[in-house]
Amino acid sequence: AQSVTQLGSHVSVSEGALVLLRCNYSSSVPPYLFWYVQYPNQGLQLLLKYTTGATLVKGINGFEAEFKKSETSFHLTKPSAHMSDAAEYFCAVNSLTSGTYKYIFGTGTRLKVLA
Amino acid sequence: DSGVTQTPKHLITATGQRVTLRCSPRSGDLSVYWYQQSLDQGLQFLIQYYNGEERAKGNILERFSAQQFPDLHSELNLSSLELGDSALYFCASSVVGTGNEQYFGPGTRLTVT
Repeated sequence: AQSVTQLGSHVSVSEGALVLLRCNYSSSVPPYLFWYVQYPNQGLQLLLKYTTGATLVKGINGFEAEFKKSETSFHLTKPSAHMSDAAEYFCAVNSLTSGTYKYIFGTGTRLKVLA
Repeated sequence: DSGVTQTPKHLITATGQRVTLRCSPRSGDLSVYWYQQSLDQGLQFLIQYYNGEERAKGNILERFSAQQFPDLHSELNLSSLELGDSALYFCASSVVGTGNEQYFGPGTRLTVT
């Protein structure tokens, strides 16, 4: 069965510091991987996705993620945090399960950016 | 703006009542998903419809039901409401096929008093 694990429900970084949000997945077949962001009182928005091809994926707002099959990871990074990055981030996997492609979301990581 | 619309934005009702949440997917999207988000349980997948048919079921209570109509809009019906049903309910839509992202609506905030 597929699953997604996000390490750390809360992460705090200083403004200008590196952002690293961790995501590990479990899937018996090659997965499609996503990061979404949710700002307060809004729905989720896609940050980036990995389907096939280049393992380093660039998204919006300066975020990127690297698919590492050997580590079953898809960690999200940003070189320099901005105050506007404060939000909740969700990792998701979409893979074939029992003949149907199903989405599984992680439990989310709330990012706090300190001035 | 994701192109997914949800009504109403806010809903306040009493325990034991029944409510209907409505979702219109992005133009051309055949799949609709419903999610419940609460502080204690996080984002929970409820159910997915594809072109009018139920495709996948998640942690949806028997008191809850959904359907997708021929014009592709979807409704989530919540009955015999309990205090614990208070949450944000999101609808999302996607294009058919694998590897496609979901587009989320702004949500309906349900408060059960």
